[in-house]
Amino acid sequence: AQSVTQLGSHVSVSEGALVLLRCNYSSSVPPYLFWYVQYPNQGLQLLLKYTSAATLVKGINGFEAEFKKSETSFHLTKPSAHMSDAAEYFCAVSDRGGGNKLTFGTGTQLKVEL
Amino acid sequence: DADVTQTPRNRITKTGKRIMLECSQTKGHDRMYWYRQDPGLGLRLIYYSFDVKDINKGEISDGYSVSRQAQAKFSLSLESAIPNQTALYFCATSAGWGSGGLNEQFFGPGTRLTVL
Repeated sequence: AQSVTQLGSHVSVSEGALVLLRCNYSSSVPPYLFWYVQYPNQGLQLLLKYTSAATLVKGINGFEAEFKKSETSFHLTKPSAHMSDAAEYFCAVSDRGGGNKLTFGTGTQLKVEL
Repeated sequence: DADVTQTPRNRITKTGKRIMLECSQTKGHDRMYWYRQDPGLGLRLIYYSFDVKDINKGEISDGYSVSRQAQAKFSLSLESAIPNQTALYFCATSAGWGSGGLNEQFFGPGTRLTVL
């Protein structure tokens, strides 16, 4: 069975500081990995996805994530936080044999302070 | 116009009532999904459908049923609502597989359901 663990249900950063949101996965086969963002009162929007083409994945709004097989991690980063980045972020995994059902992490709420 | 729409957006109902949540999409996707979101638990898959004749249970299907009326429509029903079904419900669609591997899921805006 596949799963993801997001360390830290709440993360607070200052505007302009580095954003680091952690995600570790568990999968018996090479996974597909996703980061989604949820702004208040909205649905989820894809930030980026890993499908094995490249280990460093660039997404929208300046976010990127690096797939590290040895660490079973797929952490999300952004060099400089903006107030508009305040939202909830979800990591998700899908294995290659089960269609494209997603298993989500529990989410990390990002707060950006002045 | 939104590609994935959900109705109603908010609903308050009472224990024991039957309720239906509806999802429509204009993306032309074959695959549709229903999730519920609870604080601190993330999103959990209730049911999914890979085409009109293919419906599958997800992680937490007990107490729920679905109907895929057409490629574009996927409804979720609570036959007899109970308070612990109070949650935010999301519909999603996907094209499945593409040249770049697994395609993303596109989410609707959600339905906030409260069962009293």
